[in-house]
Parts: sequence; structure tokens; C-alpha cells
Amino acid sequence: QKEVEQNSGPLSVPEGAIASLNCTYSDRGSQSFFWYRQYSGKSPELIMSIYSNGDKEDGRFTAQLNKASQYVSLLIRDSQPSDSATYLCAVNPTGNQFYFGTGTSLTVIP
Amino acid sequence: GAGVSQSPRYKVAKRGQDVALRCDPISGHVSLFWYQQALGQGPEFLTYFQNEAQLDKSGLPSDRFFAERPEGSVSTLKIQRTQQEDSAVYLCASSTSNEKLFFGSGTQLSVL
Repeated sequence: QKEVEQNSGPLSVPEGAIASLNCTYSDRGSQSFFWYRQYSGKSPELIMSIYSNGDKEDGRFTAQLNKASQYVSLLIRDSQPSDSATYLCAVNPTGNQFYFGTGTSLTVIP
Repeated sequence: GAGVSQSPRYKVAKRGQDVALRCDPISGHVSLFWYQQALGQGPEFLTYFQNEAQLDKSGLPSDRFFAERPEGSVSTLKIQRTQQEDSAVYLCASSTSNEKLFFGSGTQLSVL
């Protein structure tokens, strides 16, 4: 079992819709959770971090964490074509390693 | 520069050749990570340094892979006797607090 599991997609949504990306993790002791965005041919860049159960909002992005279910999600409201990318979920269980999922490919259709 | 710098950007090696990949982290960043990213996959952890100390090398796939950071700044990932399965993008990331990773542009290694 991989440390972090994501649906690889591809996920397609129309412009203006809400995109929902999901991630589960295996280490119940994990404390830090991250969403990275990776454009094709580019390196990952951090868009959200979350440490406590519940929701965290930043502009059009909302991260949701449920530690009991070992589940992290990312919602993108009012999706734009520029949001088309691969979204990587990452978990930091020990402070020394960041485990990444395989990523979910998102396409926003104009 | 202000970001993480990796070189070379592209490397083509013949099978069996040794390669060395360089990472220059953001100045002052204590933590340095190496990841391997195959096409269509997420980054896979290789190794982690805190200053010059290699605290975790559990992700290195074989003894052909070796990493060092002798002065706690620049790091080199060396792959000996390259194999075709080593073909991937090698990403370096640095961090101050192990909370936010700043990635370099990566080195795309192709082993023929």
C-alpha cells in the first residue's frame, strides 16, 4: 500500500465549475498535509497546507482534512483554464519525508 | 539566484555511464531533499539532508545511487552504471522548516 493514494484522473470540469480532488493516506500519525500544483514540464509548487481537521480557505482554494478518515481534499471554486495542471497531495508524517501521491490531472474546459 | 538551481537541465547517458546531478538550494535552507519523478507519476522520495548530515537515505533504489552535501549547501546526486530504469526527472527541493518545499526545475535524465 502506498503512503498516499490519489485518483489519477483525468478530471475534466467546465470553466466556472467546482473541481474536487481527493487523497487518502496510510500513516495515521501524520500531522502535515499539502497540495502542490504541477504544470506540465514544470516543478511542483505549493498551493495549500493544512494541519488541523476541518476546512482551510485561501482564495478560490479550500483544503479539507479529516484525520479520522485519513482523507484530504482540495476544492477549486470558479475553475479557470489556468488551473489545468496535475495536483499532487503530499503528507509529512515524520518531519523528514514528504510522501507524494501520483497526482490528479485536471483539465478546465473553456 | 533566489530559487533552487539544478544542473544540468537535461542529461543523456549511455547505459553503464556514471552521472552527477547538482543542486544548489536556496541560501540558508537547512533541509534538502532529492526526489525521482517518472513520467506520469508523483515524486518519489530518495534522500534527505539536514545541513551536511544525510539523515534519511531510505528511498535510494540501489547502491548505485549516492548523494552528498559536504558543506551543507550544494548537493550532488551521483548514479553509477546507469540503467534504462533510471530514466526520470530528478527533483531537488530545499526548505527551512520542513513545512514548505521549494523545488528546482529538475534534471531530466535519459539513459539510452
